Amino acid sequence: QVQLQQSGAELAKPGSSVKISCKASGYTFTSYYISWIKQTTGQGLEYIGYINTGSGGTNYNEKFKGKATLTVDKSSSTAFMQLSSLTPDDSAVYYCAKAVLYGYNPSFAYWGQGTLVTVSS
Amino acid sequence: DTVLTQSPALAVSPGERVTISCRASESVSTLMHWYQQKPGQQPTLLIYLASNLESGVPARFSGSGSGTDFTLTIDPVEADDTATYYCQQSWNDPPTFGAGTKLELK
Repeated sequence: QVQLQQSGAELAKPGSSVKISCKASGYTFTSYYISWIKQTTGQGLEYIGYINTGSGGTNYNEKFKGKATLTVDKSSSTAFMQLSSLTPDDSAVYYCAKAVLYGYNPSFAYWGQGTLVTVSS
Repeated sequence: DTVLTQSPALAVSPGERVTISCRASESVSTLMHWYQQKPGQQPTLLIYLASNLESGVPARFSGSGSGTDFTLTIDPVEADDTATYYCQQSWNDPPTFGAGTKLELK
């Protein structure tokens, strides 16, 4: 069965970076894109971007350009998201999702369990 | 960005029929999708492309609509359906989500 296993919770200081991982299993990794979504109580669900797991090509929501960097390691079927220059506003649960593109943009067919990132001094 | 507007909350009794609405600020054609999120869990896909039932999702769930007005229907509602339901559009860039409708059972 499809599984997306995300790395554990992170506690980070303002100005630092974190890198979250998302290991896929149960399907052909390079046949589907991986998207990342941010969830907060205040802003709800926000789309960050997606990565083409075959080519490594990326697409970002303008809001998250410069904040998030998406990469992939095909050999381990793992996608990564690095968040840089962290501020308290980056505190959230971050999900990876197996994405299906209809047109140019994705829907999210299966989600990881989420990674809580807390930014605090 | 395309704004998706949902009612904040609904309360229904088990066995009833419930409709959850989602209105888009501009046309999204039929590229609307619905998710269920139970407390403490990740969202799961229920409906894709406005009216297509995701594999494994009970036939009690259905979706309809096009353009700017969409509906998720649960008939009949069961106790296990207590959750927050989100719509999401993928027609316009960037993809956006509604704020969610919290469904409570009486």
